[in-house]
Amino acid sequence: KAGVTQTPRYLIKTRGQQVTLSCSPISGHRSVSWYQQTPGQGLQFLFEYFSETQRNKGNFPGRFSGRQFSNSRSEMNVSTLELGDSALYLCASSRDSNYGYTFGSGTRLTVV
Amino acid sequence: KNEVEQSPQNLTAQEGEFITINCSYSVGISALHWLQQHPGGGIVSLFMLSSGKKKHGRLIATINIQEKHSSLHITASHPRDSAVYICAVSHNTNAGKSTFGDGTTLTVKP
Repeated sequence: KAGVTQTPRYLIKTRGQQVTLSCSPISGHRSVSWYQQTPGQGLQFLFEYFSETQRNKGNFPGRFSGRQFSNSRSEMNVSTLELGDSALYLCASSRDSNYGYTFGSGTRLTVV
Repeated sequence: KNEVEQSPQNLTAQEGEFITINCSYSVGISALHWLQQHPGGGIVSLFMLSSGKKKHGRLIATINIQEKHSSLHITASHPRDSAVYICAVSHNTNAGKSTFGDGTTLTVKP
């Protein structure tokens, strides 16, 4: 069965631009969570979507947003990029919050 | 103080040694996860625990809900176990929200 697919794998953007990252969960998984990983802050929770609704949000500014489609695929968007947004962005999917989750390989975003 | 604390931060062991990584948390949880991350970024979910103990091959994870503490043990460690091990908790008051420890970097020398 296919795993969690994140696209693109690598991305270079300029400060001030906006970016959209995509995550396709495992078939049947309705929960998709997004995380940011940086060397200084480690893994941090961004938000979680379940059945097209955002259930939880971490402590990130409003420039970070997301959405989930009816097929459970999810996108996250970062507007007005800052240098500090350079990170590995990971998504994970699960059937629901009480089930284990599976991570994608991540999108490495570099803001220059 | 972080909601999830891991120790040690770094660990170096000789091949064959028994390894223990600890995780303490301060929030109410519905589950605790142990994750493994190899260089290059890929994360693998090793265990999800809500009580007791789980075993998979040479890996054992335990959790004590009353003490808010979990341990990950690796028996007969091998260089391929070298990775960052991360403890994460799923909050019981906010379904789907997770908080992560800072990770333990394990190096197993041959």
